[in-house]
Amino acid sequence: GAVVSQHPSWVICKSGTSVKIECRSLDFQATTMFWYRQFPKQSLMLMATSNEGSKATYEQGVEKDKFLINHASLTLSTLTVTSAHPEDSSFYICSARDQVGQFFGPGTRLTVL
Amino acid sequence: RKEVEQDPGPFNVPEGATVAFNCTYSNSASQSFFWYRQDCRKEPKLLMSVYSSGNEDGRFTAQLNRASQYISLLIRDSKLSDSATYLCVVGPTGTASKLTFGTGTRLQVTL
Repeated sequence: GAVVSQHPSWVICKSGTSVKIECRSLDFQATTMFWYRQFPKQSLMLMATSNEGSKATYEQGVEKDKFLINHASLTLSTLTVTSAHPEDSSFYICSARDQVGQFFGPGTRLTVL
Repeated sequence: RKEVEQDPGPFNVPEGATVAFNCTYSNSASQSFFWYRQDCRKEPKLLMSVYSSGNEDGRFTAQLNRASQYISLLIRDSKLSDSATYLCVVGPTGTASKLTFGTGTRLQVTL
């Protein structure tokens, strides 16, 4: 299957800091990438759909000004958590889809102190 | 009602056992169905797609019943390495479609 990388794999930061997470499709071009968040013992929840060259589409209840998404190229999407707070601590996972299915990056574990 | 419902488990089974997981979905317009596997603190990995005719991949068999909006996964001859959370995933058609995840069923295979 397709390979999706994500960086960093984990982040610990102070409250109020902004954190940037990168998602790359390594062996294919992805016009659309997805950003998910998963809290402990809960299912993955879609945050937003990232579209190359245009604005992201956010799910209901997700603040677009807090979670900034940039999809500047066909292989890179970034998620910036602005002014992070402890309640933003979670497992953030990106994914991209090829003709076979949807594949996930290894995730970024964010801990906000 | 949740869009995708699964029994959270855990299912504790001995090595070699056969175990089945079930999943129901609420959106009758759904067209794509998958089982993903997620290990603790890791990302989900695609296990198999699910087709109306049913499909098999080694020890794993997936079935779809559109009339009942029900999906199943059967694992035969369980291995210790099968221990994980199995996610039922449903989506519409399209190459950029949004997927809806169940909360997962935890499987623990023991000696």
